[in-house]
Amino acid sequence: AQTVTQSQPEMSVQEAETVTLSCTYDTSESDYYLFWYKQPPSRQMILVIRQEAYKQQNATENRFSVNFQKAAKSFSLKISDSQLGDAAMYFCAYLSYNQGGKLIFGQGTELSVKP
Amino acid sequence: DSGVTQTPKHLITATGQRVTLRCSPRSGDLSVYWYQQSLDQGLQFLIQYYNGEERAKGNILERFSAQQFPDLHSELNLSSLELGDSALYFCASSSYNSPLHFGNGTRLTVT
Repeated sequence: AQTVTQSQPEMSVQEAETVTLSCTYDTSESDYYLFWYKQPPSRQMILVIRQEAYKQQNATENRFSVNFQKAAKSFSLKISDSQLGDAAMYFCAYLSYNQGGKLIFGQGTELSVKP
Repeated sequence: DSGVTQTPKHLITATGQRVTLRCSPRSGDLSVYWYQQSLDQGLQFLIQYYNGEERAKGNILERFSAQQFPDLHSELNLSSLELGDSALYFCASSSYNSPLHFGNGTRLTVT
């Protein structure tokens, strides 16, 4: 069974600085998707960024980028120029289409942004 | 706005009762997923429906059931409620090759 691990329960960053959130996963599949979701205090689940496993190029979305290392099964999220609104719980997630599209989440990393 | 609508936003009920949570997926999405988020368990996958048919099952209790109707909306039924069922219940939807988009959740409190 696939598992997703986020080893940093909490992280802190100074406003305007850069922070990297770690995520590792375990799978025997070759085709899958990886995601980062953000959950602010409002408790909404907001998609931040998506990576297809077959793509070698790392995904980027404005200030958010990933470092996808398929062989190492690592999928970290880098937030550049951190803003107060980035403060949230961040979840790494794995999606296997071989298992009906079930999204498997890590435990989450609580990010705080200091002004 | 994700386009996924969940009702109600909040639900407070007593132990032993039964409740129904409703979800309308994004337009065009055939798959609906239900997740439970509690403080000590994180986000747990419950069940998935695709175009009216059950597609995948997670750690869903026998006291819980779900269905997806012809108009693609879905309902999650929780019965014989226990204190431990208090959680945030999310619905998400997707179409082929697209990420899951989540609703705002229903917060269930069992007293």
